[in-house]
Amino acid sequence: KQEVTQIPAALSVPEGENLVLNCSFTDSAIYNLQWFRQDPGKGLTSLLLIQSSQREQTSGRLNASLDKSSGRSTLYIAASQPGDSATYLCAFSSNTGKLIFGQGTTLQVKP
Amino acid sequence: NAGVTQTPKFQVLKTGQSMTLQCAQDMNHNSMYWYRQDPGMGLRLIYYSASEGTTDKGEVPNGYNVSRLNKREFSLRLESAAPSQTSVYFCAVAGIPHEQYFGPGTRLTVT
Repeated sequence: KQEVTQIPAALSVPEGENLVLNCSFTDSAIYNLQWFRQDPGKGLTSLLLIQSSQREQTSGRLNASLDKSSGRSTLYIAASQPGDSATYLCAFSSNTGKLIFGQGTTLQVKP
Repeated sequence: NAGVTQTPKFQVLKTGQSMTLQCAQDMNHNSMYWYRQDPGMGLRLIYYSASEGTTDKGEVPNGYNVSRLNKREFSLRLESAAPSQTSVYFCAVAGIPHEQYFGPGTRLTVT
C-alpha cells in the first residue's frame, strides 16, 4: 500500500530564505505527483504536477522534483515571502487518478 | 468560469439525519472525486467516478453513497449521519493527465 510522508510537519523561516519541503513515498509505481497549497479554512490549490516520465516542473519561484528510484519528491521555494505561508501537501496517484496524500508541511514565513 | 463549486458551504446535522452534498464543474473533465479531511488523518478518498455512469469506492466509503448525475455533477449522500462524519468534504475533478482541481469544501458538523 502506498504511504506518503512529509517532513518536516512544520517550518518557520525568515522572509527571503530559500527552502525545501520533502515528500517520500513507498511504492515507485506512481502515475503522477502533485503538490498543493492549502490556506487555513480554504480548499486546495494545485501548484505543480509531475508526470512519472518527468523529473521536475517549475512555476515561478517554485520547483518540484521527482526521483522515483529513491522514492522522494522535493518542493523548492525560492526567496520566500510572507504570502507563501500555508500548508503544502504532496500527493501521488495511480493511473486511475486516485490521490494518496501526505499529512502536509505547515510553513510560516516571518516578515 | 467557476471551476468546481460545492454546496452547501456549511451544514450542521443531528445524528441520524440525511443530507446530500452537491458538486458541479464547468471544466469538462471526466473524473470526479469526493474526499474528506480530518485533523491528524489528512485527506482521504471516499468515492470517485472515472466517467459519467461509473462510480467506485475509495479508502473510506462506509456510510456514504454517490451519484454521478451527468458529466458536470457528482453528489455525495449521507443517509444517516453520525458524529464520526463530522469533517470537511472536498470535491475534485481531473482530466488527462489526472491533474486534480479542488472545490472550496463543505464543513459538516454532526451533533
